[in-house]
Amino acid sequence: AQSVTQLGSHVSVSEGALVLLRCNYSSSVPPYLFWYVQYPNQGLQLLLKYTTGATLVKGINGFEAEFKKSETSFHLTKPSAHMSDAAEYFCAVSDRAGGYNKLIFGAGTRLAVHP
Amino acid sequence: DAGVTQSPTHLIKTRGQHVTLRCSPISGHKSVSWYQQVLGQGPQFIFQYYEKEERGRGNFPDRFSARQFPNYSSELNVNALLLGDSALYLCASSITGGRTEAFFGQGTRLTVV
Repeated sequence: AQSVTQLGSHVSVSEGALVLLRCNYSSSVPPYLFWYVQYPNQGLQLLLKYTTGATLVKGINGFEAEFKKSETSFHLTKPSAHMSDAAEYFCAVSDRAGGYNKLIFGAGTRLAVHP
Repeated sequence: DAGVTQSPTHLIKTRGQHVTLRCSPISGHKSVSWYQQVLGQGPQFIFQYYEKEERGRGNFPDRFSARQFPNYSSELNVNALLLGDSALYLCASSITGGRTEAFFGQGTRLTVV
């Protein structure tokens, strides 16, 4: 079965500092990988996705992620954090067990940004 | 274009009651999936529907059921509510339910007391 592990349930950075949120996956087939963001009391918004092709994926709000097959990782980065980036971030893998597609999510990482 | 809309946004139910949650997908999307997000955890897959047929079901008890209507909207029903059913219920729509991204609604926050 496919799975996702997000290292660090809470990450705290200063405004302007690098944001690094870690995600490792387990998949028996070439994975489709996603990062979603969730603001308080809201649903999930897609930040970026990796399907095939270029391993460095750029998303919205200045975020990007790099697919590293050898490390089974898909870490999310942003060069300079803004206060508005404070939210919960979920890494997910698309799973096709049973003949249909569903997302398997990690437990999430809460990002705090300090002035 | 409207995104995925869910109703109601919040509701409170008593243990043992029944609840119906509703979802309207993005126009042109024929697949709807339901996820349960318990506080402090990632969303867990409940159901996927495509063209009014159930395609898949997650590891949830039979108290959970769903259906999809000809206009592709969907309902999630939960019977005999337990305290542990308290969660944010998310609906996601996609064009075919394939491996492309799913677009999520704002969710329905269910509290069981």
